[in-house]
Amino acid sequence: QKEVEQDPGPLSVPEGAIVSLNCTYSNSAFQYFMWYRQYSRKGPELLMYTYSSGNKEDGRFTAQVDKSSKYISLFIRDSQPSDSATYLCAMRTLGSARQLTFGSGTQLTVLP
Amino acid sequence: DVKVTQSSRYLVKRTGEKVFLECVQDMDHENMFWYRQDPGLGLRLIYFSYDVKMKEKGDIPEGYSVSREKKERFSLILESASTNQTSMYLCASSKPGQGVNTEAFFGQGTRLTVV
Repeated sequence: QKEVEQDPGPLSVPEGAIVSLNCTYSNSAFQYFMWYRQYSRKGPELLMYTYSSGNKEDGRFTAQVDKSSKYISLFIRDSQPSDSATYLCAMRTLGSARQLTFGSGTQLTVLP
Repeated sequence: DVKVTQSSRYLVKRTGEKVFLECVQDMDHENMFWYRQDPGLGLRLIYFSYDVKMKEKGDIPEGYSVSREKKERFSLILESASTNQTSMYLCASSKPGQGVNTEAFFGQGTRLTVV
C-alpha cells in the first residue's frame, strides 16, 4: 500500500464548477501538507501549504487537512480553463525537511 | 526570479550508455533532489543531497548515482541506461529547516527515452 493515495482522474469539469481534489495517507507522522500544480511539460510549482490540521484559503483555492481521518483536500471555486493541470499532493514529517512524499497526481481539465 | 535549470528538455539514449543529467540552481539552496515521474506512480525520490559532496539514497536509487561537487550543481548519472529508465526526471532544490520558506522549487524536467 502506498503511503499517499490520490485519485489519478482524469477529471473533467465545466468552467465555473467547484472542484474537489483529495488525498489519503497512512503515516500519522506527516505534519506538513502541500499541493503542487504541474502544467503540461513543466515542473511542479507550490500552490498551497498547510501545517497540521485546519483550513487555508488563498483566493479561489482552499486547502483542508483532517489529520484524524488522514485526509486532505484542495477545493477550487469558480474553476477556469487556466486551472487545467495535474495537481499533486505532497506531505512530510516534522523532522524530515528534506523529503516529500507525493501522491500520484490528479489530471484536471476545465472546459470553457 | 528563482530558478532551477535542467540542462536538457529531451534526451534519447541507447541501452547501455552512460547518461548524465545536470541540474543547476541559483537560490543558494543547501538541499537538492532528483525525482523521476511516471504515469500513475507520481514523483519518486531517487537521491538527494543536503550539502556539497553529501548524498543520500531515496526510494529508488538502483541504477543511478549522483554527484554534488558544487553547491549549485547536482548531477544524476545513469551508469548503464536501460529501457525501464525511460521517464521524466525532475530536479528540485530547497532550503533546510521547517516552514513554507523551505518549499521545493522544481526544474522543467528532462524527458529521457532509452532505446
